[in-house]
Amino acid sequence: GAGVSQSPRYKVAKRGQDVALRCDPISGHVSLFWYQQALGQGPEFLTYFQNEAQLDKSGLPSDRFFAERPEGSVSTLKIQRTQQEDSAVYLCASSTLTGPQETQYFGPGTRLLVL
Amino acid sequence: AQSVTQLDSQVPVFEEAPVELRCNYSSSVSVYLFWYVQYPNQGLQLLLKYLSGSTLVESINGFEAEFNKSQTSFHLRKPSVHISDTAEYFCAVSDRAAGNKLTFGGGTRVLVKP
Repeated sequence: GAGVSQSPRYKVAKRGQDVALRCDPISGHVSLFWYQQALGQGPEFLTYFQNEAQLDKSGLPSDRFFAERPEGSVSTLKIQRTQQEDSAVYLCASSTLTGPQETQYFGPGTRLLVL
Repeated sequence: AQSVTQLDSQVPVFEEAPVELRCNYSSSVSVYLFWYVQYPNQGLQLLLKYLSGSTLVESINGFEAEFNKSQTSFHLRKPSVHISDTAEYFCAVSDRAAGNKLTFGGGTRVLVKP
């Protein structure tokens, strides 16, 4: 079946622009996660949804970052007034159920470059 | 708070030689441990995971990892690597106290040479 998809795959933004990154999780997956992966580093947690409820947003680096999943399926990560330090790969993952033992399935990521 | 340390950022290895990727974690509670692999130009894929029971877990392509609670380690090994094993490998941990998120190490890049 189809895996997790993300769009766009690449995004170049000028500093100060707003961007929106989309994630389509595997159909029926309850949990959805966003991670940020800087160059040469491991992914870092940003936020977590269980269905449409955002249960953990402790990893969002500033109030310029906002995520939503209004119908419990597709999710959007929005970054306002982008800064150069926002340049990274943004990964989305989904899992069938909730719980830390569940396997997370990752999308290919969106590579964001802020100039 | 959880943390994961992958001591080697790069590991060059010759084809058919063994490889070991080291992973140490810190957590105050019972943990779940994962190894993910990222092949060039692809997304992260689960390689294997430890949830409970036998401390030795295996993947379908010959990798194995052993959970060692006393040493807080989850090292990944393969007795004979192939060119196709060239990839970046990430160790990750989760636990109930931290919610459902994964905490990743910095990754180890494996380059298999012919």
